[in-house]
Amino acid sequence: EPEVTQTPSHQVTQMGQEVILRCVPISNHLYFYWYRQILGQKVEFLVSFYNNEISEKSEIFDDQFSVERPDGSNFTLKIRSTKLEDSAMYFCASSGTGISNQPQHFGDGTRLSIL
Amino acid sequence: AQSVSQHNHHVILSEAASLELGCNYSYGGTVNLFWYVQYPGQHLQLLLKYFSGDPLVKGIKGFEAEFIKSKFSFNLRKPSVQWSDTAEYFCAVNARGSTLGRLYFGRGTQLTVWP
Repeated sequence: EPEVTQTPSHQVTQMGQEVILRCVPISNHLYFYWYRQILGQKVEFLVSFYNNEISEKSEIFDDQFSVERPDGSNFTLKIRSTKLEDSAMYFCASSGTGISNQPQHFGDGTRLSIL
Repeated sequence: AQSVSQHNHHVILSEAASLELGCNYSYGGTVNLFWYVQYPGQHLQLLLKYFSGDPLVKGIKGFEAEFIKSKFSFNLRKPSVQWSDTAEYFCAVNARGSTLGRLYFGRGTQLTVWP
């Protein structure tokens, strides 16, 4: 079964540094998402992306965050100047149709630790 | 705003015991409902989903869930759990017909099954 892959699996970064989390969605999928889960809290939606544009973003996704599809296979999340509270597990997901009743397929996640 | 509540944070069972994990949601419109499972070290995988029709849905690995509209609930059940069901279980909803279908997750329930 095709999978969403995320790298790295664990990223440790100093506060204030920029970090880029990488995702390779399933190859024929066109709809992409980032979610995060702070330890002990709910999985929270960050952003959805389609046709090289952000479709929707949450209140968490402020100016420090950006997403990009730099080529035909990667989908990245950049945090410009990391804060302690950005420490979380970040999940990438993709969907083949973008239709709400179709499942999103998730990667294994990147654990981001801000020191 | 949509929200999802999972009442049990950690459930511990012996093999062959029956399982029911609670999930309640709040939303003013029509929703799609999902249960995802995350096995240790793996990505979120879809167990089952409901969007219309028979409110009792069957998923993979012997799991089922029942949508009770009047109670805003979508509880997950399995008649006889196995050690291999040890995982974290997430209930999620999105708005029917929403563009790209942003998911709202519950906090998750950690299930531990003792052999």
